[in-house]
Amino acid sequence: DIQMTQSPSSLSASVGDRVTITCRASQGISNYLAWFQQKPGKAPKSLIYAASSLQSGVPSKFSGSGSGTDFTLTISSLQPEDFATYYCQQYKSYPPTFGQGTKVEIK
Amino acid sequence: EVQLVESGGDLVQPGGSLRLSCAASGFTFTNYWMHWVRQAPGKGLVWVSRINSDGSDTSYADSVKGRFTISRDNAKNTLYLQMNGLRAEDTAVYYCARDWRGATSTFGYWGQGTLVTVSS
Repeated sequence: DIQMTQSPSSLSASVGDRVTITCRASQGISNYLAWFQQKPGKAPKSLIYAASSLQSGVPSKFSGSGSGTDFTLTISSLQPEDFATYYCQQYKSYPPTFGQGTKVEIK
Repeated sequence: EVQLVESGGDLVQPGGSLRLSCAASGFTFTNYWMHWVRQAPGKGLVWVSRINSDGSDTSYADSVKGRFTISRDNAKNTLYLQMNGLRAEDTAVYYCARDWRGATSTFGYWGQGTLVTVSS
């Protein structure tokens, strides 16, 4: 199985901050990488697919980059509604696997 | 609007069985692979199973292989997960998810989840 490792596991940030989350795959996955946002008690929401393509309706403050084994999710200016847990997921090979999550908290 | 509505979660004893359902609407059900993903309390997301568009091909996580069966009724736009031999470690919220673009194995839409608790 391909292991996905996110860093950091949690971070504290202020409204307006630029935030970057990293995701590393245990082997190359090309750009078969998605990002999800999950708020407490809610279902995950798809943000990005193919490493850098925004899902329809997702604001442009979210961006993704990377290819191969190293990927990043960036939130350009953190807003109150962005405080959540973020997961990366590879879909290059079975089984699909997720990172352990990065919890973004209010400083 | 895409809607996925899970049902069937419950408290069940170890070794017991449960069938989850996911009613889909707002898209052409037969065009998409469908998945189950679970999340244990306070933990991360784990993919459980996938079924192709016509139900002829399935895939399972090793942790549930031989105990869980995914199926679909395309006439009813409904996805199922038959869970047998339940264990405490199967306790989780189970999400039904629609494949993002048809057959990619990432997830474009999610249901609200249904809670399965395995405990005596």
